Amino acid sequence: QQPVQSPQAVILREGEDAVINCSSSKALYSVHWYRQKHGEAPVFLMILLKGGEQKGHDKISASFNEKKQQSSLYLTASQLSYSGTYFCGILFSGGYNKLIFGAGTRLAVHP
Amino acid sequence: DGGITQSPKYLFRKEGQNVTLSCEQNLNHDAMYWYRQDPGQGLRLIYYSQIVNDFQKGDIAEGYSVSREKKESFPLTVTSAQKNPTAFYLCASSTSGAAMTGELFFGEGSRLTVL
Repeated sequence: QQPVQSPQAVILREGEDAVINCSSSKALYSVHWYRQKHGEAPVFLMILLKGGEQKGHDKISASFNEKKQQSSLYLTASQLSYSGTYFCGILFSGGYNKLIFGAGTRLAVHP
Repeated sequence: DGGITQSPKYLFRKEGQNVTLSCEQNLNHDAMYWYRQDPGQGLRLIYYSQIVNDFQKGDIAEGYSVSREKKESFPLTVTSAQKNPTAFYLCASSTSGAAMTGELFFGEGSRLTVL
């Protein structure tokens, strides 16, 4: 049931772009994205509901393809502060309030 | 300031002992959750509660127990039946029914080490 995130890790130079993918084998109701810095609590980035919507948060945006049961997180012109581990959490259709997280993608941005 | 408080931040326990992790929130949220985090495995749901005096098992509930006697409190007990309890434990809360449309607010976590 756990969503599959790819890649597992990404190393960027400041200003470069990255894409993190999250896919599921079951029908999704919503996809949630969080970022966690080392030793800290995860912080909410955005939620995407089924319907193929795309959202943005500063230079971080995401898309949700309901038919393909997958979501992608786009990090544009990365900054040092983007470093951390990104988790997608998925809510299955009919899954009530049970948010299931992926294993995470570690992102490191260097000067 | 509103938020979620977890305690203790670090806890050491001998094998065979039960330990209880505290989670308190003053956000007036109805729903509360416990997640376990291990390296490379992300966040795994242990238990969740949508309302006082009611809770449901998550994916890895074996060896854990919870109670929800008050809206603001959701303590987690790691029992001696938990085979590998060493992990980082995160408590979270959300407004009622809002895991679908609202965010989870996380505490700072409790790191449990079994000696």
